[in-house]
Amino acid sequence: GAVVSQHPSWVICKSGTSVKIECRSLDFQATTMFWYRQFPKQSLMLMATSNEGSKATYEQGVEKDKFLINHASLTLSTLTVTSAHPEDSSFYICSAVGMEGVIYGYTFGSGTRLTVV
Amino acid sequence: GNSVTQMEGPVTLSEEAFLTINCTYTATGYPSLFWYVQYPGEGLQLLLKATKADDKGSNKGFEATYRKETTSFHLEKGSVQVSDSAVYFCALSITGTASKLTFGTGTRLQVTL
Repeated sequence: GAVVSQHPSWVICKSGTSVKIECRSLDFQATTMFWYRQFPKQSLMLMATSNEGSKATYEQGVEKDKFLINHASLTLSTLTVTSAHPEDSSFYICSAVGMEGVIYGYTFGSGTRLTVV
Repeated sequence: GNSVTQMEGPVTLSEEAFLTINCTYTATGYPSLFWYVQYPGEGLQLLLKATKADDKGSNKGFEATYRKETTSFHLEKGSVQVSDSAVYFCALSITGTASKLTFGTGTRLQVTL
């Protein structure tokens, strides 16, 4: 089945530094990737949608300059949290869908827990 | 717009009890419906899905039937286990496009011995 690898699974960084999170589709080509943020005991909030080779589409209220998304290939998308602050601490999850659309049911990565100190 | 409404949790059951988690939706277009499960500290795993009316998705003893007439996709399991303790999310996407998933708020299930 479809597998999405997300790395790192957890990261601690100092306030003001930048952190990059990678999301890879291992056995299929992901034409679209989604980035979510999840607060404790809450649902997933979609941050942005990225299509390979084009600019990401951000949801309302998400800062484009703070959360940089790059989808340079059909198997890799990255989320960079720039100048991170404690309020950016959260659980970030990516998901990917291939050319077949919903056949794989939007496979999710295992998530990255970011803690900014 | 599209939306998903789930019953509020937490739901606490004894092992071997019957489980129902209600999910209803509103959608513009023809939605595909999903149930995802999230174990503590992990990402989401697809539990089951249905892409058209009257389809029944099933996996690991869980079932859900796509009911267009009641716009529902309730999750059921006949006999829960402690290992089923997790958060369950109902979600929809519009069929035929790689559109974003719209999630419900999630329902936490706690199964005790």
